[in-house]
Parts: sequence; structure tokens; C-alpha cells
Amino acid sequence: DAGVTQSPTHLIKTRGQQVTLRCSPKSGHDTVSWYQQALGQGPQFIFQYYEEEERQRGNFPDRFSGHQFPNYSSELNVNALLLGDSALYLCASSTVGVSGANVLTFGAGSRLTVL
Amino acid sequence: KQEVTQIPAALSVPEGENLVLNCSFTDSAIYNLQWFRQDPGKGLTSLLLIQSSQREQTSGRLNASLDKSSGRSTLYIAASQPGDSATYLCAVYGGGFKTIFGAGTRLFVKA
Repeated sequence: DAGVTQSPTHLIKTRGQQVTLRCSPKSGHDTVSWYQQALGQGPQFIFQYYEEEERQRGNFPDRFSGHQFPNYSSELNVNALLLGDSALYLCASSTVGVSGANVLTFGAGSRLTVL
Repeated sequence: KQEVTQIPAALSVPEGENLVLNCSFTDSAIYNLQWFRQDPGKGLTSLLLIQSSQREQTSGRLNASLDKSSGRSTLYIAASQPGDSATYLCAVYGGGFKTIFGAGTRLFVKA
């Protein structure tokens, strides 16, 4: 049973460029959340997708956008990259359990470096 | 607004020692709390999940407790090993669509 898969694992971009990160959720999961983790900090919520719609967004600018496809996979797009966007981007999948809880399964992350 | 704090930020212990990691949260209205492990530069691995109706969960040498009324959770690691060296993250889900994380406790177990 494949878990959450993310690609690419590492990438380097320059300021002003655009980047697309991809995520395939765990089998049986229909919800994808994206998190940004700066060095030495905990993950910060970017947004969550369910039924191909953004359900909630954290405190991130509109340069951060996403998409969810009918097969539940998801993309995170970041435009006009800034040095401060350098971070580990984590994708987490979940599904609403019997209790209605949001139990997350994480991928290995995509390490973005902006020069 | 939910805030999650983890203490200590870093911890170094000799192999074999029992240790406790602490997590506190400001809003006690939560559905669940998860403890994760993160190796350097890697993703998060779920260790234990405690539902709001539960008081504790155990997995091998790990035991996590939850006290909703005081807004606290502890992760107890018995007989620590060098392989336990990692960052341990506490995450709280309080409804809505997002889970809130603490900044983590960096653990180093010396052989």
C-alpha cells in the first residue's frame, strides 16, 4: 500500500521563478493538505483540498495556489518566488474517519531552495 | 486561536535514559492530538494518535498521554536509544480543516 508520494524531492529555483510541486495521496484518502516547514520550525498550514476545491487557507499570500484532480492528487504552485520561500513543503493526506477526525499521513516532502 | 508549544526545544540524554517530552495547547476543544517523528530533512512519521476521548496511547517504548482540561500532552520514551535521535512534533486538530503543529523538540541520544 503506497503512502503519500511527493515530487520532486529537491529543486533549486531563482527569485521570481515559478514552481509546481506534486502530491499523490495515500490509497483511500480523499483530502490533501499542504504545509510549509522552514528550517528549525514546525509545519505551517498552507491550504487543504477536498473534492477539487480549496476548503481553507492559512496565512499565505495568493502567490501560493493549488489544485486537486479527480483522482485526488494535488499540486502546489508558488509564483514570483522569494528567498523566504525556501523550505520543506510537506503534503499530507487524510479522510474523515468515523469520529470526524483529521488524521494526517505525510509524504517525504519537497525541499525547495530559492537563490 | 490555537497555539501549540513544545518544551524543551532541544534535549540531549545518554543512552538508556527514560525521558518525557511536553506539549501544551491553548484551546482544549480538540478532536485529536498526534505525535510525529521527523528525521533531518525528511517527512513526518506518525508515532501515536490520541483521540479526544482517550487519556493515553502506547506503542512499544512510547507512551503518550492527553489531559484536555489542562491543555497538555506528554510523550514518554522508555530506555532511549541512539536511533531515537530525531525531532518530535506535537500536532493538534481542533475541527475545521487544519492541524496546528508545535515547533518540535530536537532529541539527541548519546551512545
